[in-house]
Amino acid sequence: ETGVTQSPTHLIKTRGQQVTLRCSSQSGHNTVSWYQQALGQGPQFIFQYYREEENGRGNFPPRFSGLQFPNYSSELNVNALELDDSALYLCASSYPGLLNNEQFFGPGTRLTVL
Amino acid sequence: SQQGEEDPQALSIQEGENATMNCSYKTSINNLQWYRQNSGRGLVHLILIRSNEREKHSGRLRVTLDTSKKSSSLLITASRAADTASYFCAPWEGGGNKLTFGTGTQLKVEL
Repeated sequence: ETGVTQSPTHLIKTRGQQVTLRCSSQSGHNTVSWYQQALGQGPQFIFQYYREEENGRGNFPPRFSGLQFPNYSSELNVNALELDDSALYLCASSYPGLLNNEQFFGPGTRLTVL
Repeated sequence: SQQGEEDPQALSIQEGENATMNCSYKTSINNLQWYRQNSGRGLVHLILIRSNEREKHSGRLRVTLDTSKKSSSLLITASRAADTASYFCAPWEGGGNKLTFGTGTQLKVEL
């Protein structure tokens, strides 16, 4: 069984640029959620994808967008980067059939915006 | 969904001691989950307790749930330096799949 993987591990961008982060879900999981974790804070829910459709969104502006592919892997895209977008971005996969909402997290991508 | 609030914010103990951290939440839940996060890494699921359970054990972990007080506690017995991490609780109401996290308890276990 393969766990959740994320790429890249670290990324440095400048303000105004665009970034794409990638996530491969755990084998058998069809749901992917993305979280943003600022330093010293808990993870904040960005959005979730289920069977290639957005299935819930947190309080993030439209410049945060995503995709899910037929193999259930996912991308998080952030346009017009701002300094406050610097954070650890976490991807988590789950399987609704478990009926308990246990989330399996990847190691995260550390994004620094200069 | 609701957010759990962990207490204390920080806890420093000696290796071999027990560590207890608490979580409070506001509304009815389906289950409550505890996660651990080592510095700058992803979260690891530790244990899940359902609303009809009062206590659950997993290795050196013991979780209790008091639905009348809307609170949970996580006890780590015989702590080790490797237990140094942030611990988050995530109460889940059921319906919808997102989890909402508080700021966590930062545990430091010193040799």
